[in-house]
Amino acid sequence: AQKITQTQPGMFVQEKEAVTLDCTYDTSDPSYGLFWYKQPSSGEMIFLIYQGSYDQQNATEGRYSLNFQKARKSANLVISASQLGDSAMYFCAMRENSNTGNQFYFGTGTSLTVIP
Amino acid sequence: GAGVSQSPSNKVTEKGKDVELRCDPISGHTALYWYRQSLGQGLEFLIYFQGNSAPDKSGLPSDRFSAERTGGSVSTLTIQRTQQEDSAVYLCASSLLRGSQHFGDGTRLSIL
Repeated sequence: AQKITQTQPGMFVQEKEAVTLDCTYDTSDPSYGLFWYKQPSSGEMIFLIYQGSYDQQNATEGRYSLNFQKARKSANLVISASQLGDSAMYFCAMRENSNTGNQFYFGTGTSLTVIP
Repeated sequence: GAGVSQSPSNKVTEKGKDVELRCDPISGHTALYWYRQSLGQGLEFLIYFQGNSAPDKSGLPSDRFSAERTGGSVSTLTIQRTQQEDSAVYLCASSLLRGSQHFGDGTRLSIL
């Protein structure tokens, strides 16, 4: 089974609107971390937000928030007030904090286009 | 600099040649990862180093691929007898044991 699933290959959003990028994960480890990264067309990977499996509250970082639903194993990224500069690929990732190491698993990504 | 440094930024070579890609992680980061990203695709895990533990090589696509990490710092990814399908961007990332990954700018490898 896929560790990280991103079902939206491409998304469009109007400037200044909010958008939700979906991510579901699969793990049997009780301790894990969930991450979102942004990759603009220039290619660099930019860390956006982190959610720990034991965190009680949803993570927020400026216009980014993570809608963490542990029972559903989902970790959707919400971008509020979209800007043209938000157009990029977005990757969801999970780190399993197992005794054997800290393997990261990445989803296939969602391409977000912000329309003026 | 303070970030992950990768060299070269671009590499063009002929099919059949060997290439070495270098990654200089953030000082103090114990974990180091190599990924491959083909055009328009996601990240393909290659190999992971954590401290002095044996590396996780489960993502290496063939025995032509190998990697070393000397002194727990700099890492070199070596591809022997390169093939055209090896063309991709090779990304290196480092992290603390429980931290987020910090990525380098990648090496764009083109096999002619």
